[in-house]
Amino acid sequence: GESVGLHLPTLSVQEGDNSIINCAYSNSASDYFIWYKQESGKGPQFIIDIRSNMDKRQGQRVTVLLNKTVKHLSLQIAATQPGDSAVYFCAENTGSSYKLIFGSGTRLLVRP
Amino acid sequence: SQTIHQWPATLVQPVGSPLSLECTVEGTSNPNLYWYRQAAGRGLQLLFYSVGIGQISSEVPQNLSASRPQDRQFILSSKKLLLSDSGFYLCAWRWDVTEAFFGQGTRLTVV
Repeated sequence: GESVGLHLPTLSVQEGDNSIINCAYSNSASDYFIWYKQESGKGPQFIIDIRSNMDKRQGQRVTVLLNKTVKHLSLQIAATQPGDSAVYFCAENTGSSYKLIFGSGTRLLVRP
Repeated sequence: SQTIHQWPATLVQPVGSPLSLECTVEGTSNPNLYWYRQAAGRGLQLLFYSVGIGQISSEVPQNLSASRPQDRQFILSSKKLLLSDSGFYLCAWRWDVTEAFFGQGTRLTVV
């Protein structure tokens, strides 16, 4: 759902470890999901997407998992690097419109 | 290739003054266009989206309005700014139900 008014939680990981960022969505009719990375002062950048007819999709060092039963989405980053430090957002497209709604973000901090 | 332009990058405006932020997309036609606002340290709030010229869907009723006078132009306006209008405004475009591409944003400070 809307992320307005929520402070960003922080995930701190050691460089080289795997990171898992979670997102809960509210609309069971949502059919398309996107993960974005946002660095300070910049617009969000696309990382990976997944449609509701899939439960897993892999990219370079990233994997997105979708559990429609519990309306949960996760982003796994393998071998986390300092350059991965940023705020990560999930976004959902509601099935009946072209609305693209962002979830509450997570700040990822990578410790050297 | 497609590009999206937002301007200005930063803006300081007094309370009660008007606002006009412009977003232009190049290299594509008939995109879906979006305006979001982001408060400091917060998430993205969808303000408006448009699926065609003159078609505007409003998500947050307030003193902001949007217009799409041309296929690849999306404008965010206000007649009288409030302090609470301060934030980072982001424009985005996409085709149908695909990933959205964002501009670099406008940081608005209302004083």
